[in-house]
Amino acid sequence: DAMVIQNPRYQVTQFGKPVTLSCSQTLNHNVMYWYQQKSSQAPKLLFHYYDKDFNNEADTPDNFQSRRPNTSFCFLDIRSPGLGDAAMYLCATSKLRTGSAYEQYFGPGTRLTVT
Amino acid sequence: AQSVSQHNHHVILSEAASLELGCNYSYGGTVNLFWYVQYPGQHLQLLLKYFSGDPLVKGIKGFEAEFIKSKFSFNLRKPSVQWSDTAEYFCAVNPLSGGYNKLIFGAGTRLAVHP
Repeated sequence: DAMVIQNPRYQVTQFGKPVTLSCSQTLNHNVMYWYQQKSSQAPKLLFHYYDKDFNNEADTPDNFQSRRPNTSFCFLDIRSPGLGDAAMYLCATSKLRTGSAYEQYFGPGTRLTVT
Repeated sequence: AQSVSQHNHHVILSEAASLELGCNYSYGGTVNLFWYVQYPGQHLQLLLKYFSGDPLVKGIKGFEAEFIKSKFSFNLRKPSVQWSDTAEYFCAVNPLSGGYNKLIFGAGTRLAVHP
């Protein structure tokens, strides 16, 4: 089945130690998104890639970076995690960014703990 | 700022009870509207969506939602819930502006259905 895969499902990192979360997709979608979801809060869009074009949300901290080496993979890098960065990180994809074909497919998420 | 409000954070129902989850958004322009569901331990899945046309949309598993433009609302309904409907439900709005679409989520409603 075509899907969005996130690895690892659970990640523990130390305060200030860089960490990378991974997302891959078999849907061949053009757009990949990263969301942050803190406990009992709405998922919040951090940034997205449309093909190789990176689009950062205005309020996304500089501490968060992303890479998309090819269509299938997208990475979320947290350069110096703080305790406030502990959250569930969701990856999603969509075929397009506009029109009726726009629909996002989500991965299972990676739960990040910062100690 | 654009926002999505879900009226109830937690709802507890008995099986066969009727369900209505409220969702209001603040955006004056054209929107696409979605309800996503997240079953325990699983990823976000699309329940239903509204793009245009009939404001009453039907989704999977007997769910439906009604778009009332004058009230900026997109409430989710199900006439008779089952234990398997226990999940978290997210309303999301996709304002059509800025050259691309993005989802703005509500904070979610946790539904617990007791046998």
